[in-house]
Amino acid sequence: AQSVTQLGSHVSVSEGALVLLRCNYSSSVPPYLFWYVQYPNQGLQLLLKYTTGATLVKGINGFEAEFKKSETSFHLTKPSAHMSDAAEYFCAVRRNQGGKLIFGQGTELSVKP
Amino acid sequence: SQTIHQWPATLVQPVGSPLSLECTVEGTSNPNLYWYRQAAGRGLQLLFYSVGIGQISSEVPQNLSASRPQDRQFILSSKKLLLSDSGFYLCACQGQDQFNQPQHFGDGTRL
Repeated sequence: AQSVTQLGSHVSVSEGALVLLRCNYSSSVPPYLFWYVQYPNQGLQLLLKYTTGATLVKGINGFEAEFKKSETSFHLTKPSAHMSDAAEYFCAVRRNQGGKLIFGQGTELSVKP
Repeated sequence: SQTIHQWPATLVQPVGSPLSLECTVEGTSNPNLYWYRQAAGRGLQLLFYSVGIGQISSEVPQNLSASRPQDRQFILSSKKLLLSDSGFYLCACQGQDQFNQPQHFGDGTRL
């Protein structure tokens, strides 16, 4: 069965520091992977996606993620955190059947001044 | 591009009362539509999805139901709300046969 695990429900970084949010997946077929961001009381906004091709994917707001098949990982990074990056982040993998997504439990990112 | 409208943004209902949440989509035809619930401090739980008018699949047994009376309209309902129905409800859409494409989300309804 497919699954997504996000390590760390809360991550806190200082402004200007590296952001690293971890995501591991399990899938029996080549996965389609997504990262979403959710600001308080809002819906989910797509940050970036991996389908095929280049394993380093660049998204909006300076975020990027690298698909590593050998590690079954799709960690999200940003070189320098900004206060506006404080939000909840969800990793998701597309199910084998149809377009349904399986989401991780989410990681809340806090940015300290 | 796809735009998803959800209303109301916030709703306070007594236990035992009925519920109707509406989601409409613009900018696409014949989309796949999804209802998710997000409980406090938890991830997203898929409740229902629909691949066409009148076609509803339920992911989990529950007190809620869904309907799709029109191509771009998706409704979440309940005859009698339970306290456990509280949460943040999100509607999402995805282009038909675009499984490598992301789902797009509305702004949600907090119940």
